[in-house]
Amino acid sequence: LAKTTQPISMDSYEGQEVNITCSHNNIATNDYITWYQQFPSQGPRFIIQGYKTKVTNEVASLFIPADRKSSTLSLPRVSLSDTAVYYCLVGDYHSGGYQKVTFGTGTKLQVIP
Amino acid sequence: EAGVTQFPSHSVIEKGQTVTLRCDPISGHDNLYWYRRVMGKEIKFLLHFVKESKQDESGMPNNRFLAERTGGTYSTLKVQPAELEDSGVYFCASQGINEKLFFGSGTQLSVL
Repeated sequence: LAKTTQPISMDSYEGQEVNITCSHNNIATNDYITWYQQFPSQGPRFIIQGYKTKVTNEVASLFIPADRKSSTLSLPRVSLSDTAVYYCLVGDYHSGGYQKVTFGTGTKLQVIP
Repeated sequence: EAGVTQFPSHSVIEKGQTVTLRCDPISGHDNLYWYRRVMGKEIKFLLHFVKESKQDESGMPNNRFLAERTGGTYSTLKVQPAELEDSGVYFCASQGINEKLFFGSGTQLSVL
């Protein structure tokens, strides 16, 4: 399983755009990149997933360069409620449709008023 | 849609006792996973069920841990006897085929 490396923590002011970069140098050809968000006393929650280029949904964007050795989660105009730990996960879908992933340290984002 | 439910949310037991954690996955999800985070460490994979079968139990720390998923519905994770180092948060996740993982809120286990 590909190992991921993220900054341990980040601070941002409310209303700013936040970009969190994750390195996954040994990503495999069939691996997808998935980001999860975790609040205290809750389980991780899916944010966004991509394979290459750019993916956007209603809460975030995911930028993946051509070599796929890194990815950047972009959160537009963060609010205090975005304070959480963000995990970058890498894993492929096996023939049975399941995905085994490995959690890294995650990035603790603190949004400041 | 109902999410993944874990019970209890907290459990405090003494060393040597037995504890059973339960996970109810999202209905229809064949894949069920158990993860654990001990204090100060990363979330670690424990095992993976496909329906009632153990697909991968490579993350189970030792034979004091027993996971079951009778009938391919809910799952239990029993720790017997519990040791101090078993303290942590135990997460369950379920997944449909080629879908994202849905996590429960976890069970905070404290072994005194």
